[in-house]
Amino acid sequence: DTAVSQTPKYLVTQMGNDKSIKCEQNLGHDTMYWYKQDSKKFLKIMFSYNNKELIINETVPNRFSPKSPDKAHLNLHINSLELGDSAVYFCASSLLRGGRGAYEQYFGPGTRLTVT
Amino acid sequence: DQQVKQNSPSLSVQEGRISILNCDYTNSMFDYFLWYKKYPAEGPTFLISISSIKDKNEDGRFTVFLNKSAKHLSLHIVPSQPGDSAVYFCAASAELSGSARQLTFGSGTQLTVLP
Repeated sequence: DTAVSQTPKYLVTQMGNDKSIKCEQNLGHDTMYWYKQDSKKFLKIMFSYNNKELIINETVPNRFSPKSPDKAHLNLHINSLELGDSAVYFCASSLLRGGRGAYEQYFGPGTRLTVT
Repeated sequence: DQQVKQNSPSLSVQEGRISILNCDYTNSMFDYFLWYKKYPAEGPTFLISISSIKDKNEDGRFTVFLNKSAKHLSLHIVPSQPGDSAVYFCAASAELSGSARQLTFGSGTQLTVLP
């Protein structure tokens, strides 16, 4: 009964490859997020979707493309992987509106991507 | 440009004593603040939060204090327990257009509680 799940947990791949990370939440939330935790440990927002609509799109290379087939899923596809893409990627979800629930985000366990 | 700063990358405290973790922010648009706790190989989990209209929120052993004029918040854990050893992230929330909210995180403080 995991609230926010991500697959895979670990991903090792070579430069130039294309890979996807999947995220699913069963909390009934309507908003989902992708964060990148870099080598300096900062958690930085990349994208956010509300009911399949993109609402936050930070300055991220266009090799990164989020896809939301429904409000419970937000996948991250990365084309032409580079060494600098190595990081831990976290998916999160929340409610867009609705009191305190709109402020708190719930995180998945993370996907450690290593590009060699 | 770090809008949320945690200047102490690590903190060690003896079991049973108080742990105080600090966080500073620069953006006046932040109106809600949260603390997350993170164990290795897991995602951050929500711990406690505070609205900008308050200056204190308490939940069991955890208390968050907010000083808006100083743009500073702190998390107090008392008494500290070995199971509290984790990385603690401070996060600040601001409303974007259309009621969407965005969290901005600090770089985290590794708390080690020594038995």
